[in-house]
Amino acid sequence: AQSVTQPDIHITVSEGASLELRCNYSYGATPYLFWYVQSPGQGLQLLLKYFSGDTLVQGIKGFEAEFKRSQSSFNLRKPSVHWSDAAEYFCAVVGASGGSYIPTFGRGTSLIVHP
Amino acid sequence: GAGVSQSPRYKVAKRGQDVALRCDPISGHVSLFWYQQALGQGPEFLTYFQNEAQLDKSGLPSDRFFAERPEGSVSTLKIQRTQQEDSAVYLCASSWTAADEQYFGPGTRLTVT
Repeated sequence: AQSVTQPDIHITVSEGASLELRCNYSYGATPYLFWYVQSPGQGLQLLLKYFSGDTLVQGIKGFEAEFKRSQSSFNLRKPSVHWSDAAEYFCAVVGASGGSYIPTFGRGTSLIVHP
Repeated sequence: GAGVSQSPRYKVAKRGQDVALRCDPISGHVSLFWYQQALGQGPEFLTYFQNEAQLDKSGLPSDRFFAERPEGSVSTLKIQRTQQEDSAVYLCASSWTAADEQYFGPGTRLTVT
């Protein structure tokens, strides 16, 4: 069975500071990995995804993530945070099992941005 | 419409009532997923359709939950005899294929009193 751990429930950063949100997964093979962002009252929006190939993935809004197989991690980074980045961030893993792609989401990390 | 839409956005039901939640996916998207999101948690998978076929319903918490997508487009999640523990946000998402990125609707917040 696949699982996702986001160890940080809340992260507080100052505007302009760098950001790293942690994500660890458990899956028997190489999974498909996603980061989504959810603003209050909104649905989830995809930031970036990893299927295969280059392990450093660029996404929207200046975000990037690096897939590290040896650490079973897919951490999300941004070099300079903007106040509008304050939101809930979810890491998700999709593993093909018998052709049924069931996503598993982490519990989320709430990002607070101080001016 | 360009995105996934859900209706109603908010629903208050008395315990024991039946509710129906609607999802309009992006036109042409083959795959449609339903999730339940409790407060402070990530989305939990409920069920998944490929066109009109319900390929996986392993996440439905009880036989009170039922989903359908009869023409392979609009989907309805029905909850019979609602209980307080059913209170959550119900999210719908669609995608071109099951493994692709998913496009989420804004969700329906269900409160059972």
